[in-house]
Amino acid sequence: AQSVTQPDIHITVSEGASLELRCNYSYGATPYLFWYVQSPGQGLQLLLKYFSGDTLVQGIKGFEAEFKRSQSSFNLRKPSVHWSDAAEYFCAVLAPGSYIPTFGRGTSLIVHP
Amino acid sequence: EAGVAQSPRYKIIEKRQSVAFWCNPISGHATLYWYQQILGQGPKLLIQFQNNGVVDDSQLPKDRFSAERLKGVDSTLKIQPAKLEDSAVYLCASSPEGGEGGYTFGSGTRLTVV
Repeated sequence: AQSVTQPDIHITVSEGASLELRCNYSYGATPYLFWYVQSPGQGLQLLLKYFSGDTLVQGIKGFEAEFKRSQSSFNLRKPSVHWSDAAEYFCAVLAPGSYIPTFGRGTSLIVHP
Repeated sequence: EAGVAQSPRYKIIEKRQSVAFWCNPISGHATLYWYQQILGQGPKLLIQFQNNGVVDDSQLPKDRFSAERLKGVDSTLKIQPAKLEDSAVYLCASSPEGGEGGYTFGSGTRLTVV
């Protein structure tokens, strides 16, 4: 069975600073990988996804993520954070052929002005 | 396209009462999911429907939770009787057949059991 680890519960950055949120997965092969964002009181919105091919994936809102097979990681990055990026971020994995993703516990992003 | 609609947005009930949540997925999405998200945790799948059939309900507490998706469109999740530990956000999501395209989530229903 697949599992997802988001080791950071909270991340605090200053507005304009760069951001990296960590995600590690456990699965026997390469799964499908997703990052979602959840603003307070809202549902989850898909930021980006990786299936195969180029290991650097571009998403919405200026986010990108890099798949590193050797490290079983799929870290989310943004070069310059905006105050509106403050939210909860979830990494998820989906085994090919499965319909059911497994979510990490989430990382709460706090942005200081 | 219209998103996944859920209602109500908030619900407060006393323990041992019953409650029902409603979800209308994106038109044409065959697969519908109900997730439970407890504060500080990632979403946990409760049940998955493919059209009007149940694909996976292994994590649904069937002694108190039930769900249906009549006609393969909208869905209802019910809790009867509710317990304090059921306090959570209940998220509905839908996807086209297969989940590789990602899932579209509704805004959720925040349930507080007192």
